Amino acid sequence: QSVLTQPPSVSGAPGQRVTISCTGTSFNIGAGYDVHWYQQVPGTAPKLLISDYTNRPSGVPDRFSGSKSGTSASLAISGLQAEDEADYYCQSFDSSLSGVVFGGGTKLTVL
Amino acid sequence: QVQLQQWGAGLLKPSETLSLTCAVYGGSFSDFYWSWIRQPPGKGLEWIGESNHSGSTNYNPSLNSRVTISVDTSKNQLSLKVTSVTAADTAVYYCARGARRFGYADYWGQGTPVTVSS
Repeated sequence: QSVLTQPPSVSGAPGQRVTISCTGTSFNIGAGYDVHWYQQVPGTAPKLLISDYTNRPSGVPDRFSGSKSGTSASLAISGLQAEDEADYYCQSFDSSLSGVVFGGGTKLTVL
Repeated sequence: QVQLQQWGAGLLKPSETLSLTCAVYGGSFSDFYWSWIRQPPGKGLEWIGESNHSGSTNYNPSLNSRVTISVDTSKNQLSLKVTSVTAADTAVYYCARGARRFGYADYWGQGTPVTVSS
């Protein structure tokens, strides 16, 4: 059981917009700790997609955006492309565990 | 350009000690935290712990008693040791650069698969 909860899978057609949620508690997201997002193509290392809720590293398309609401965070991907098919993970800090925690991951399928 | 290159033994027997090393090329070694993260087959990411350049460490409480992360600033390298391994330690192990304490990882190593089997 992951500390941060993500849906196991989401899907969308090319060109559509999808969102991936990351639900936490008052010990992590709800406490105001930053949330970060990674994209992982199977067989490769994760790649930083969004840092500190909304910041995109250089080279990440603006089709990817992050947001926060209460004890949850979301990753939105607009203009879905076939190359977006991957696993996505959220990350934060948990004060009750005094450490970094990840969501269980969401597999995005582009139909 | 920052690159992380990691290596270590890929096949261990139960009760042995896992030992991995990660070399950092490019960028500053002293301005960041250096992490180890693992991923069991078919599963999600698990944070193992981190160290800064001066050896100040933070560990996942669930692994704390078996894990040691150390740095060698003369070589810009970090190391991971996990004692008394079991099949549950079978995973791909990644080293990564953390932007700050408990922060996000902006550069990752290529990953080292480790299998624990008798």
